[in-house]
Amino acid sequence: SYELTQPPSVSVSPGQTARITCSGDALPKQYAYWYQQKPGQAPVLVIYKDSERPSGIPERFSGSSSGTTVTLTISGVQAEDEADYYCQSADSSGTYRGVVFGGGTKLTVL
Amino acid sequence: QVQLVESGGGLVKPGGSLRLSCAASGFTFSDYYMSWIRQAPGKGLEWVSYISSSGSTIYYADSVKGRFTISRDNAKNSLYLQMNSLRAEDTAVYYCARDGGAAWYFDLWGRGTLVTVSS
Repeated sequence: SYELTQPPSVSVSPGQTARITCSGDALPKQYAYWYQQKPGQAPVLVIYKDSERPSGIPERFSGSSSGTTVTLTISGVQAEDEADYYCQSADSSGTYRGVVFGGGTKLTVL
Repeated sequence: QVQLVESGGGLVKPGGSLRLSCAASGFTFSDYYMSWIRQAPGKGLEWVSYISSSGSTIYYADSVKGRFTISRDNAKNSLYLQMNSLRAEDTAVYYCARDGGAAWYFDLWGRGTLVTVSS
């Protein structure tokens, strides 16, 4: 299996743009997904297939992909966006099939 | 409404067993692949197991292979995880999650059930 690497923390002031990166060798071949998790709550899907936004997710959340790195961008960050964010991809190396998560990034809204 | 509700967690001794259940409602359970995902206290997410809509295809993380068994009963709209030979490192909140379209991502999560392995 392979790894997805995220920065442990990102800090941003309200109204600014937050960018959270996720790197992995298989990302050029596999879609990436992003989840938001607030304390004591289950994760919520915020981006799927690199850049698609599920219904009900605010437009300020967007995703992009370039080579081995995918990026979650939150434009006009609000206090309520403070949470842990996890990237995720499928792992289909050889005969193995599974799911891999990044280590998570804590977004702090200053 | 559309939801997943886990149950069956608790305190168990090392080497013991536990069976988790996940009750689905508000959608056609038999149409969806399902997974179990866990989160150790203060740690990140770890995928545990995956089962196809019919139950014919199953995958496990290496960390639980041979000890855990995933299953489902589409007539009862339920997903299960039988956990044997439990270890301290299996202590976590266990989430049941729905695959968004047989595409290895999760568009609906339950609230989780806590499993604590300790003597």
